Amino acid sequence: EVQLLESGGGLVQPGGSLRLSCAASGFTFSDYAMSWVRQAPGKGLEWVSLIVVTDGSTYYADSVKGRFSISRDNSKNMLYLQMSSLRAEDTAVYHCAKAGCGGNRCYSNSWGQGTLVTVSS
Amino acid sequence: DIVMTQSPDSLAVSLGERATINCKSSQSVLNNSNNKNYLAWYQQKPGQPPKLLIYWASTRESGVPDRFSGSGSGTDFTLTISSLQAEDVAVYSCQQYYSTPYTFGQGTKLEIK
Repeated sequence: EVQLLESGGGLVQPGGSLRLSCAASGFTFSDYAMSWVRQAPGKGLEWVSLIVVTDGSTYYADSVKGRFSISRDNSKNMLYLQMSSLRAEDTAVYHCAKAGCGGNRCYSNSWGQGTLVTVSS
Repeated sequence: DIVMTQSPDSLAVSLGERATINCKSSQSVLNNSNNKNYLAWYQQKPGQPPKLLIYWASTRESGVPDRFSGSGSGTDFTLTISSLQAEDVAVYSCQQYYSTPYTFGQGTKLEIK
């Protein structure tokens, strides 16, 4: 059974930094692309970032480009999201999601419960 | 960026009746080289993460009841629930994965009438 467990969320001041982690199990982590998707309170889903395994390429939403960095450690089955220069509008539940393939252009077929990031002074 | 627009924003359907949710993309998400539409549908119940229902616009994910079906091509897509069950109350969202950013529709809230 695929399991994705996010951690690292919390309260942070505007301009601050936070690193989210996602522990993956139940599948061969190194074979699949992984994404971060967020959901602001009461709002819809917003795709944030993707990391593929074919060539290690990374992709970002314009809203986070230059501030967020996605990475993975295949030896530890871990996905990360380093977030800096945080803004109030980054407040959301952040989900990690497993793709259905290793490259880009793929749907997400398993999701974690998410971790809440609150950016406020 | 490809903009995904769902209609309606909310929908109330009687138990056992058909529910239809539409999703329109601002650009085609059809790859003519493989004839695949890069469009997925997700279901999200309160307090839970999204669950994949449909991918490639019409392929049902394993374990998803066959009352859920997806159709459409190019820029216009539909999710149909043929006979609404109480457990289908949720928010449904479409997503294109044709080009990054992989944008979602705003979501459609489905309720029981």
